[in-house]
Amino acid sequence: ETGVTQSPTHLIKTRGQQVTLRCSSQSGHNTVSWYQQALGQGPQFIFQYYREEENGRGNFPPRFSGLQFPNYSSELNVNALELDDSALYLCASSLSRTSGSGELFFGEGSRLTVL
Amino acid sequence: AQTVTQSQPEMSVQEAETVTLSCTYDTSESDYYLFWYKQPPSRQMILVIRQEAYKQQNATENRFSVNFQKAAKSFSLKISDSQLGDAAMYFCAYRRFGNKLVFGAGTILRVKS
Repeated sequence: ETGVTQSPTHLIKTRGQQVTLRCSSQSGHNTVSWYQQALGQGPQFIFQYYREEENGRGNFPPRFSGLQFPNYSSELNVNALELDDSALYLCASSLSRTSGSGELFFGEGSRLTVL
Repeated sequence: AQTVTQSQPEMSVQEAETVTLSCTYDTSESDYYLFWYKQPPSRQMILVIRQEAYKQQNATENRFSVNFQKAAKSFSLKISDSQLGDAAMYFCAYRRFGNKLVFGAGTILRVKS
């Protein structure tokens, strides 16, 4: 069983640029969510995708957008990068959008540095 | 909005000893789920233990157990017989629906040999 994989693991961008982060969900999982984890802080929920539709969003501006593909993999896009966007971006997958106590499986994250 | 508070930025424990990490949360809901996650330097979040709010019995997973006090909105994690591999950042998290977890700021656990 393949776990959640994210790419790239590290990247450096400059202010104003755009970035795309990718996530392959665990085999059989149809729900993917993205989190932003600033240095020394807990992760914050960005949004969730279920069967290619956004299915919940946290307090992030519209320049944070995403996609989910038919194979349930996902992308996180951030436009007009700001210095405060520097963070670890985590992807998590699960079997269902309302799995209650069900486990989320996290990837190792993509570390974004904005200069 | 739900909030999760971890008041201990850092804790230390001697190998083989017991340590308790604290967590409080705020919610107006009666049905929800609580979790403890571990994040080692590899960065991957690993589920340690989970608790359903409707269950009065405290969850246990081997050396890990929780003290869930619903009225006090408290959810502490006890690690018994601490091992060097337990050293990591620990996050308390709340979940109502879907994949939206609300995390605390985390507690760094250091294990001394």
